[in-house]
Amino acid sequence: LAKTTQPISMDSYEGQEVNITCSHNNIATNDYITWYQQFPSQGPRFIIQGYKTKVTNEVASLFIPADRKSSTLSLPRVSLSDTAVYYCLVGLNNAGNMLTFGGGTRLMVKP
Amino acid sequence: GAVVSQHPSWVICKSGTSVKIECRSLDFQATTMFWYRQFPKQSLMLMATSNEGSKATYEQGVEKDKFLINHASLTLSTLTVTSAHPEDSSFYICSAPLGLNSPLHFGNGTRLTVT
Repeated sequence: LAKTTQPISMDSYEGQEVNITCSHNNIATNDYITWYQQFPSQGPRFIIQGYKTKVTNEVASLFIPADRKSSTLSLPRVSLSDTAVYYCLVGLNNAGNMLTFGGGTRLMVKP
Repeated sequence: GAVVSQHPSWVICKSGTSVKIECRSLDFQATTMFWYRQFPKQSLMLMATSNEGSKATYEQGVEKDKFLINHASLTLSTLTVTSAHPEDSSFYICSAPLGLNSPLHFGNGTRLTVT
């Protein structure tokens, strides 16, 4: 299972765009990249998933370069409520192979 | 809305007693569910994989006789912490994939405090 490396923490201000990068140098051909958000005392919440290039949904965008050795979660115009821990997971996209959580990135959004 | 429901959301028990935590998939069947444990300021650690109709698979270092897992139906997995000790106090979270090629969806966790 590919190991992931993320910055431990990031600070931002309301209204700014936040980009969180995850390194996964030994990603396998069949691996997908998935990002989760976790608030204190809650389970992780799915944000976005991708395999290559760019994926966008109503809350975020995910950029994946051609070599797929890294990925960047982009949160547009963050608000205070986006303060949370963000986890990048890499693994096979079938019943539960994305099992290992890395350290995550603690995002603090300031007013 | 929530697709995985966990109960209870918090529980306090005395040392030596057992506690059962339920994880339910809502409106979908989950042949596999996953149990994680999370200590304060740390990441989630996978404890075991719960398989419907068969034995659970435990991660290295997790005592199967202490953390009993039962997955008797396609919508319910239970984790029983037996003979709980204060060091078992933690945040327990379950998850399940909606289906093939689907990301994991997580319950809201259970805060266990052993006194």
